[in-house]
Amino acid sequence: DQQVKQNSPSLSVQEGRISILNCDYTNSMFDYFLWYKKYPAEGPTFLISISSIKDKNEDGRFTVFLNKSAKHLSLHIVPSQPGDSAVYFCAASYNDMRFGAGTRLTVKP
Amino acid sequence: NAGVMQNPRHLVRRRGQEARLRCSPMKGHSHVYWYRQLPEEGLKFMVYLQKENIIDESGMPKERFSAEFPKEGPSILRIQQVVRGDSAAYFCASSPPDRGGTEAFFGQGTRLTVV
Repeated sequence: DQQVKQNSPSLSVQEGRISILNCDYTNSMFDYFLWYKKYPAEGPTFLISISSIKDKNEDGRFTVFLNKSAKHLSLHIVPSQPGDSAVYFCAASYNDMRFGAGTRLTVKP
Repeated sequence: NAGVMQNPRHLVRRRGQEARLRCSPMKGHSHVYWYRQLPEEGLKFMVYLQKENIIDESGMPKERFSAEFPKEGPSILRIQQVVRGDSAAYFCASSPPDRGGTEAFFGQGTRLTVV
């Protein structure tokens, strides 16, 4: 039961360029969406979130966009830095929280 | 304010033994989630608990796995008669009672290796 899907298992971008990570969901009851970042051997750490009443939330280099009609959200990182290389998970919550499978971002110097 | 504490960080069990994974949520948090990450895979939801209640266990394997979150003490994920396929990283996350659109905080995970 994949309610949250990240269809790209990996993404590679050049330092300084934009990284765009995508996420789709199926359950229209989800009302809060989050992105987590995970380094190897560590737990995921919260990055940025957005409520369903908004369509955009920006925090420094990170911006999350929500398109409710398409049940799609995306994370933009600009400019990308080598330290951004990690696995990024999107999550959606209503009563509980469900995660996508993750996208491994590699930012090349 | 300590974060979510999971222990042990690493656990090695022989096939057929029991594994007990502990998760102490952040202070004031009454919601706990357990996730499993198999090698080369993403986070898979297992179970969502509130104090003394299992809210959603749709991600739990039907056999050998159980979870609890007692009124006092940590949440426990118990795996009986472990098999090699149980080898994975198990993450616990907690969130406050008034969820109100807040993020869940994760522990460092327990890496279970079944030999």
